[in-house]
Amino acid sequence: QVQLVESGGGVVQPGTSVRLSCVGSGVTFRSYGMHWVRQAPGKGLEWVALISYDGNSQQYVDSVKGRFTISRDNSKNTLYLQINSLRIDDTAVYFCASGASGDSWGQGTLVTVSS
Amino acid sequence: QSALTQPASVSGSPGQSITISCAGTSSDVGSYNLVSWFQQHPGKAPKLMIYEANKRPSGVSNRFSGSRSGNTASLTISGLQTEDEADYYCWAYAGSSTYVFGSGTKVTVV
Repeated sequence: QVQLVESGGGVVQPGTSVRLSCVGSGVTFRSYGMHWVRQAPGKGLEWVALISYDGNSQQYVDSVKGRFTISRDNSKNTLYLQINSLRIDDTAVYFCASGASGDSWGQGTLVTVSS
Repeated sequence: QSALTQPASVSGSPGQSITISCAGTSSDVGSYNLVSWFQQHPGKAPKLMIYEANKRPSGVSNRFSGSRSGNTASLTISGLQTEDEADYYCWAYAGSSTYVFGSGTKVTVV
């Protein structure tokens, strides 16, 4: 299993951008496809995006297409999520997770979109 | 990309068995064996309990078991314990590199 730690969250204004990071430990990070999952306050889990182990393919939930970009740098064992044109309903804890089955998860980073 | 359907809540007494259903469609649960179940305690990250519909990761109690039939997956918790009280989510591959979560089930041990 890979250990994952997210960062980059905070209080941000609507319409601005934020980049979240997820650092993985160990050489196995580059062997896994990686996901971003979010959870709005008091709500359920929502799958957001997936990137292949080599970064060559990405996929998104329809509701975020065009605003979210998932990427990775395997030389730094780091996964990213760029969120543009932030909206109030993007307020959530954002988790990264590894593998096709969601084997390992980070602790999450909270993004609060508020004016 | 509609959420999979789970009961909002399930309860049981210590020692009993409960089953949580996860109803999908022929495009997700019905087509692929890639169904996972997660346990989430308040304020914590989800924890993988079952993967590929019926496999248990190392370290997960054998009181947890999973199955899949048609468009529905199920998680059974036997010998219910107080520490099992949590939210549970199913997660399924929906094709074309997309995934979908269930709506979540709150398990209460009464």
